[in-house]
Amino acid sequence: QSALTQPPSASGSPGQSVTISCTGTSSDVGGYDYVSWYQQHPGRAPKLLIYEVNERPSGVPDRFSGSKSGNTASLTVSGLQADDEADYFCGSYAGRKNLVFGGGTKLTVL
Amino acid sequence: QVQLVESGGGVVQPGKSLRLSCAASGFIISRHGMHWVRQAPGKGLEWVAGMDYDGRREYYADSVKGRFTISRDISKNTIYLQMNSLGAEDTAVYFCARDLTLFQLDFDFWGQGALVTVSS
Repeated sequence: QSALTQPPSASGSPGQSVTISCTGTSSDVGGYDYVSWYQQHPGRAPKLLIYEVNERPSGVPDRFSGSKSGNTASLTVSGLQADDEADYFCGSYAGRKNLVFGGGTKLTVL
Repeated sequence: QVQLVESGGGVVQPGKSLRLSCAASGFIISRHGMHWVRQAPGKGLEWVAGMDYDGRREYYADSVKGRFTISRDISKNTIYLQMNSLGAEDTAVYFCARDLTLFQLDFDFWGQGALVTVSS
């Protein structure tokens, strides 16, 4: 069982926006501004989309945005595209040089 | 460009050992933290171990502490994961990953993964 809770699935039509939640505790998500999001296509390595709650690495489109409120972080994908169909994982620093992940959300573009 | 290439995966019997390698190119490993992250078949990600940029400190997930060891060879620009006392729960694809900074637990480049199967 993963430390962080994500919905197993989410979906949206092309052009729409979808938000994926990631719920933890005050010991991880709520305690630090170190939440990250990864995108993983089948059979591929994960790709960093968001770090430090809402920062994007160079090359990641601004259609991907992150936020946090209390013990819950969120990833919003705007202007959905077919290639956004993938698994999305959140991660959070959990103190003492430890990182925990969510179980992943499968995003389907209808 | 940045590349990470894992090797050393395979099938191993319970209780045995295996060592994974991760050859880095396009950057110097002593300027970044380096990590191993695993993913059991059909499951989520699990951070396994990390080493900070200067190689002085190693950190482990509780699930592998005392059994796994992360190390590196600067001359080969390569990191390793020595895995001992393997059990079925260690079956996974093991990814080598580069830290965004010196040690921040954000991973900006990943290898393609090495499959480790623990089975008799």
